[in-house]
Amino acid sequence: NAGVTQTPKFQVLKTGQSMTLQCAQDMNHEYMSWYRQDPGMGLRLIHYSVGAGITDQGEVPNGYNVSRSTTEDFPLRLLSAAPSQTSVYFCASSYYPGTGRYNEQFFGPGTRLTVL
Amino acid sequence: GIQVEQSPPDLILQEGANSTLRCNFSDSVNNLQWFHQNPWGQLINLFYIPSGTKQNGRLSATTVATERYSLLYISSSQTTDSGVYFCAVGSGGYQKVTFGTGTKLQVIP
Repeated sequence: NAGVTQTPKFQVLKTGQSMTLQCAQDMNHEYMSWYRQDPGMGLRLIHYSVGAGITDQGEVPNGYNVSRSTTEDFPLRLLSAAPSQTSVYFCASSYYPGTGRYNEQFFGPGTRLTVL
Repeated sequence: GIQVEQSPPDLILQEGANSTLRCNFSDSVNNLQWFHQNPWGQLINLFYIPSGTKQNGRLSATTVATERYSLLYISSSQTTDSGVYFCAVGSGGYQKVTFGTGTKLQVIP
């Protein structure tokens, strides 16, 4: 049971480049989400998904796209990277709330992204 | 959206001391967790505690949902307790989770 995995761990991009951050979980969780953490701040929700084929925006969605084709995977795409997207990105997963199961979130190790 | 405030923002403790961290939230929640972010950036689940009291070793947490606050107690602190402690709350049917800004704890020998 690997939990939540993220790749890559580190990435440097130039302004305007695109890339995809990968996230996978093997706990059969319905709910998956992406956060960004900027220095000295808490985590802010970018996008989330409550199941395959269903995604929605969080607090700071601009500049990011997501899709959820399988229960296990939830990639985050940066179409045209900007310096303001320099941050640490965390993926998380949990059971869907209200199903009688604990919906505590489990986090991946993070991806440190720098945009020059 | 829901507001989450944590206090104090910074805390320095002598090893062996006790401390209480507080999390206030502005609306009803159906999910509350405490996390420890260690100096390497890893987020570690401490408690899932939307209500009631839980204990795990030297740590315990209490959430009073009706009064919209949660407390994290750290007893006999150790240098390995250093890092940032986050409270995160979920509300609404789709569990939009909001994090507080954290309490940065430094435990000195």
